[in-house]
Amino acid sequence: EPEVTQTPSHQVTQMGQEVILRCVPISNHLYFYWYRQILGQKVEFLVSFYNNEISEKSEIFDDQFSVERPDGSNFTLKIRSTKLEDSAMYFCASKPYGGMVNYGYTFGSGTRLTVV
Amino acid sequence: AQKVTQAQTEISVVEKEDVTLDCVYETRDTTYYLFWYKQPPSGELVFLIRRNSFDEQNEISGRYSWNFQKSTSSFNFTITASQVVDSAVYFCALSDQRNAGNMLTFGGGTRLMVKP
Repeated sequence: EPEVTQTPSHQVTQMGQEVILRCVPISNHLYFYWYRQILGQKVEFLVSFYNNEISEKSEIFDDQFSVERPDGSNFTLKIRSTKLEDSAMYFCASKPYGGMVNYGYTFGSGTRLTVV
Repeated sequence: AQKVTQAQTEISVVEKEDVTLDCVYETRDTTYYLFWYKQPPSGELVFLIRRNSFDEQNEISGRYSWNFQKSTSSFNFTITASQVVDSAVYFCALSDQRNAGNMLTFGGGTRLMVKP
C-alpha cells in the first residue's frame, strides 16, 4: 500500500538553527499538509498546500515556517530559527482529491523534532 | 468554527471489558467528515474510520464499532472485549467545508490503558 514517507524520524537541533523536515507524499496525491503534535497534546494543523501554493494556514504557522515542493516529489517544512517550543512530532499528510472528498487522507509516521 | 471535544482524557480498563470513547463535535456545515485515529506508543497515526455527515448508519469492524448521532453531534467509538494491544491514544477528528484546505481538526485525544 502506498505510504507517505518522512525523514528523518528523529532530529535534534540547537535553538536558533534552521531545520528542514522532509516528506515524500503518495505520488498521485495533489493536496499536502503539515501537522504538529507537542508531546502529550493534540494534533494541530499547520498548513495545507495545493498547486504549488499554500491554501490554508493556522495561527501557529508564522513567519518562522515555510513550505516548499522543490522537485515534484518532496514536500518540505522549514523552520527558520528554531525555538524550544518547536519541539514536537511533525506529521506530513497527503490526499488525492480536493473538495469534500476526503478519501485517501494518509499520514506519514512523523518526525520527532527536539530543540535543545 | 469547527471544534472536537473528547471529554475523557484517560480511561483504564481490564482486559476483556468493553469501553466507549466519546467524541462530540461542532460545525456549522451540513457536509462534513468525521474520523477516528489510533496513536500507539510508537507515535504514528493509524486511520480507523471515516464517516460522512450523510451516513448515520453505525459501523462495526471486528471488535470496533462506531455510533454516529447527528442529533447530539456525537461520534462515539466502542471497543468490545478490549485487549492489551488496544492501549493507545485515540483521536477523533473533523473536516468540514469551511476551509479551502480541508484540514482535520483533532480532539484532545483519549488515552486508553488496557491492563491484563
